[in-house]
Amino acid sequence: DGGITQSPKYLFRKEGQNVTLSCEQNLNHDAMYWYRQDPGQGLRLIYYSQIVNDFQKGDIAEGYSVSREKKESFPLTVTSAQKNPTAFYLCASATTGGVGKLFFGSGTQLSVL
Amino acid sequence: KNEVEQSPQNLTAQEGEFITINCSYSVGISALHWLQQHPGGGIVSLFMLSSGKKKHGRLIATINIQEKHSSLHITASHPRDSAVYICAVRWGTGNQFYFGTGTSLTVIP
Repeated sequence: DGGITQSPKYLFRKEGQNVTLSCEQNLNHDAMYWYRQDPGQGLRLIYYSQIVNDFQKGDIAEGYSVSREKKESFPLTVTSAQKNPTAFYLCASATTGGVGKLFFGSGTQLSVL
Repeated sequence: KNEVEQSPQNLTAQEGEFITINCSYSVGISALHWLQQHPGGGIVSLFMLSSGKKKHGRLIATINIQEKHSSLHITASHPRDSAVYICAVRWGTGNQFYFGTGTSLTVIP
């Protein structure tokens, strides 16, 4: 079955450490997104990509980096510059054009040790 | 930027009750999505609407384009409907989505 796979489900980061969250989709979607979810807040866009080798910053990109070397993969790195990384991270993908079907991964909970 | 507002923020219902969750947005859109997030975090898409009304089982979603408003109805609510329901909009030819803050629904047996 087609879908989006995020890993790991739980991740712990030590101070000063970079960590990478994985997101893989086999839906053949061009557009992929990373969102951050904090308790009581709506989803906030970190980065998005509409095509391979291209991506744009979202509303809260500082302290994060991404790459899009393959259509299927859109990993997110939480760098040491992100001072408040504890949150739930969701990866999504969508068809482009038209009304756009939206699919989500199961999420990664990142906590700081 | 499209502002998306949902109401109510929290909702508690008795099993069997009819439930309505509302979503309003500020700019004309190409599509509106209703999403469901269960404890544990994964989000699933319930409906995608650009006009009119859709029904799936006990769930009904409607949209009024002129009034920039959508509703999600749950008939004969059940404890397994307990979740956070999120409204998301997409407009024009852009590929960005904007999300409401969600409605937390608890259905009591």
